[in-house]
Amino acid sequence: EVQLVESGGGLVQPGGSLRLSCAASGFIFNSYKFHWVRQAPGKGLEWVSYIDFSGAEIYYADSVKGRFTISRDSAKNSLYLQMNSLRAEDTAVYFCARESANYYDFDYWGQGTLVTVSS
Amino acid sequence: QSALTQPASVSGSPGQSITISCTGTSSDVGSYNLVSWYQHHPGKAPKLMIYEVTKRPSGVSIRFSGSKSGNTASLTISGLQAEDEADYYCCSFAGSNIHYVFGSGTKVTVL
Repeated sequence: EVQLVESGGGLVQPGGSLRLSCAASGFIFNSYKFHWVRQAPGKGLEWVSYIDFSGAEIYYADSVKGRFTISRDSAKNSLYLQMNSLRAEDTAVYFCARESANYYDFDYWGQGTLVTVSS
Repeated sequence: QSALTQPASVSGSPGQSITISCTGTSSDVGSYNLVSWYQHHPGKAPKLMIYEVTKRPSGVSIRFSGSKSGNTASLTISGLQAEDEADYYCCSFAGSNIHYVFGSGTKVTVL
């Protein structure tokens, strides 16, 4: 069974940092690309970042570029999102999502982890 | 990049059909047949319902169908059931600069 389990969310002050993790199981981790998607309270989904099979190709939404870093560890079957210089507007539930073998869509998602940026 | 435009809410009675629209621009929905739809029950993991505009993943009910005309994609749910009550989001690939843009979301209520 495919499973994606996010962790690492919490309350952080503006300007602070947080590292999110996404543990993957039930499939061959190295065979898939991954994304982070977030949902601010009461808002819709927003694409955040992408990483390819090896980490050689990485993209970010303009709203997080220069502050967030996506990475992956094949030995641990895990995806990460390092979030620095956090702002109130980064408050959201963060989901990791697997890009399907068809590409350009997300076939499995985790349940998300809540990040709250507040003083 | 603005979110794709969806109606905030759509409702229908059990057994009825409803359609959710998703309007973008010539830079996203209009340029690529790469629109996908997701069902999201709050607190749960979103679920892929439609990909590449019209294709249904294995295990998704045939009651769900997708289409596209110009800059607007649509999701139709036929034979509405209580379990279909959820939030629905469209998503389009938007090229190498923007990458992906999601819709604003539609809350489906089964009356």
